[in-house]
Amino acid sequence: EVQLVQSGAEVKEPGESLKISCKGSGYIFTSYWIGWVRQMPGKGLEWMGIIYPGDSDTRYSPSFQGQVTISADKSISTAYLRWRGLKASDTAMYYCVRQRLGIAAAGANDYWGQGTLVTVSS
Amino acid sequence: QSALTQPASVSGSPGQSITISCTGTSSDVGGYNYVSWYQQHPGKAPKLMIYDVSNRPSGVSNRFSGSKSGNTASLTISGLQTEDEADYYCSSYTSSSTLVFGGGTKLTVL
Repeated sequence: EVQLVQSGAEVKEPGESLKISCKGSGYIFTSYWIGWVRQMPGKGLEWMGIIYPGDSDTRYSPSFQGQVTISADKSISTAYLRWRGLKASDTAMYYCVRQRLGIAAAGANDYWGQGTLVTVSS
Repeated sequence: QSALTQPASVSGSPGQSITISCTGTSSDVGGYNYVSWYQQHPGKAPKLMIYDVSNRPSGVSNRFSGSKSGNTASLTISGLQTEDEADYYCSSYTSSSTLVFGGGTKLTVL
């Protein structure tokens, strides 16, 4: 069974750093793109970027380029999303997603993690 | 990259059919057959319902169907059931090699 299991909820202060994780299982982790999707409170879905764990090829949405870093450790089948200086506007639910086979960003997201709620508040 | 345009809300009665539209441009919806639809119930992660315009993943009811004409994609739900009440999002690949979502549509089953 394919599963994406994300790390737990986080509460941080503005300016702090944070790295959340997403562990894949039940499939060949290095063969599928893994993406990240943001959902701010009461709002819609926003695609942030994607990584191919096989070779760490990474692409970002222009809206998130330079704001976050996506990485992966294929030895433990885990993808990461990192911030270096959180802002209150980063408060949101973050989902990791597996992309069906295909070129980066073109395939549908067939499996979703349970989400990690990040709250940034002083 | 602007979000794809979806109606904010649609409604229907049990047993009826409804259609949700998703309008983009020739640089996204109109240019590629990489349109997907997702269903999200409150407090839950989204679920893939349609991929590549009109394909259903295994396990998704055949009451859900997708199509595309020009720059507009559509999701049709036939034989509405109360459990279909949820938010629905479309997405499309873009000419910038990114993915863009629609703003979402709240479906109410009256």
